[in-house]
Amino acid sequence: LAKTTQPISMDSYEGQEVNITCSHNNIATNDYITWYQQFPSQGPRFIIQGYKTKVTNEVASLFIPADRKSSTLSLPRVSLSDTAVYYCLVGGSSNTGKLIFGQGTTLQVKP
Amino acid sequence: IAGITQAPTSQILAAGRRMTLRCTQDMRHNAMYWYRQDLGLGLRLIHYSNTAGTTGKGEVPDGYSVSRANTDDFPLTLASAVPSQTSVYFCASSPGTGMYNSPLHFGNGTRLTVT
Repeated sequence: LAKTTQPISMDSYEGQEVNITCSHNNIATNDYITWYQQFPSQGPRFIIQGYKTKVTNEVASLFIPADRKSSTLSLPRVSLSDTAVYYCLVGGSSNTGKLIFGQGTTLQVKP
Repeated sequence: IAGITQAPTSQILAAGRRMTLRCTQDMRHNAMYWYRQDLGLGLRLIHYSNTAGTTGKGEVPDGYSVSRANTDDFPLTLASAVPSQTSVYFCASSPGTGMYNSPLHFGNGTRLTVT
């Protein structure tokens, strides 16, 4: 599995757009990029997944450049409830199930 | 409500004791996982199972064992607990073993303290 690198922490204010970038220089051709969100005292939950270009759902957008060596999770108009840890994972269709999380990015949204 | 159930929610355990953390899912997912989460270290994979009857080692398997006798249950056993195993343990499952369109579903965790 490709190794990922994310900022350890970020701060933002309510109503702002937040962009969290993940680097994955060794991403393989059949790898997908997946982001999870974790609130305190809960397990992580799936946010969004993409392969290339842009993916958008009701929670976030995921931007992936043509070389796929990085990806950016975009959270529009964050609120206090978006304070959480965000994890970026990269893996393919046959990874033998060894899904490994890194330290994630702790996002603190301030009033 | 469909999902993953972990038990107990929390436990204080004396060092040297044996402990089994229980995990049950009712989504008929093929793959299941155990992670531990420690402050500053994120989530680390302990063991996983791609399908009933098979298991594999993750990043930090030492001191832990698992079994997967059926699709729904994936217990994690600490044969002889040590203080370094104090952590929050999360069980997860996914429909398949690949990344695509097979997101992980997590339980709410078991907070274990080994004294």
